[in-house]
Amino acid sequence: EIVLTQSPATLSLSPGERVTLSCRASQSVGSSLVWYQQKNGQAPRLLIYNSSNRATGIPARFSGSGSGTDFTLTIDSLEPEDFAVYYCQHRSGWPSSFGPGTKVDIK
Amino acid sequence: QVQLVESGGGVVQPGRSLRVSCAASGFTFSSYGMHWVRQAPGRGLDWVSFISYDGKLTKYADSVKGRFTVSRDNSKNTLYLQMNSLRADDTSLYYCAKENTPVAGTGSDFWGQGTLVTVSS
Repeated sequence: EIVLTQSPATLSLSPGERVTLSCRASQSVGSSLVWYQQKNGQAPRLLIYNSSNRATGIPARFSGSGSGTDFTLTIDSLEPEDFAVYYCQHRSGWPSSFGPGTKVDIK
Repeated sequence: QVQLVESGGGVVQPGRSLRVSCAASGFTFSSYGMHWVRQAPGRGLDWVSFISYDGKLTKYADSVKGRFTVSRDNSKNTLYLQMNSLRADDTSLYYCAKENTPVAGTGSDFWGQGTLVTVSS
């Protein structure tokens, strides 16, 4: 089973700042890595699939990169609505799994 | 518009069974794989199960294998999760989620609002 780790666990930032979130896999997942955003009381929202492809309707300030075991989600300039928890998920074979999440909150 | 509506959650005693459902609309249900993902209160996302568009392929997390069964009825646009031998650590909000594309592996682009399953004596 592939284990995903995310760092940091929490980030305290101000609107307008650039954010870089990390997701590391215990073994290679190729480019089969997905990112989600989840706000309190809401279902997750798909942001990025196949490591770097933005999902429909996702703003250009969100970008993903990486392959193999190391992946990054970048938010170019934080908007107030971006404060949330971010999860990565691998889709390289079964079982799939999620990382523990990174919480981005307001400084 | 795409809608996924879960139902069937509730309070159940340890060791008992429960079936939750997910009614889909607004897309060609029979063309997409579907997932169940759960989230314990205050915790992260936990992938549970996948079923292919035609029901022929099913996959499970190790924690539920042998206890949970995923199925679908494409004539009713409905996804099911039969949960047997329930344990306290199965207590979670259970989401159904649609594959982003007909080719599996590109994430889940639509999610329901979840149905809460509480396992307690």
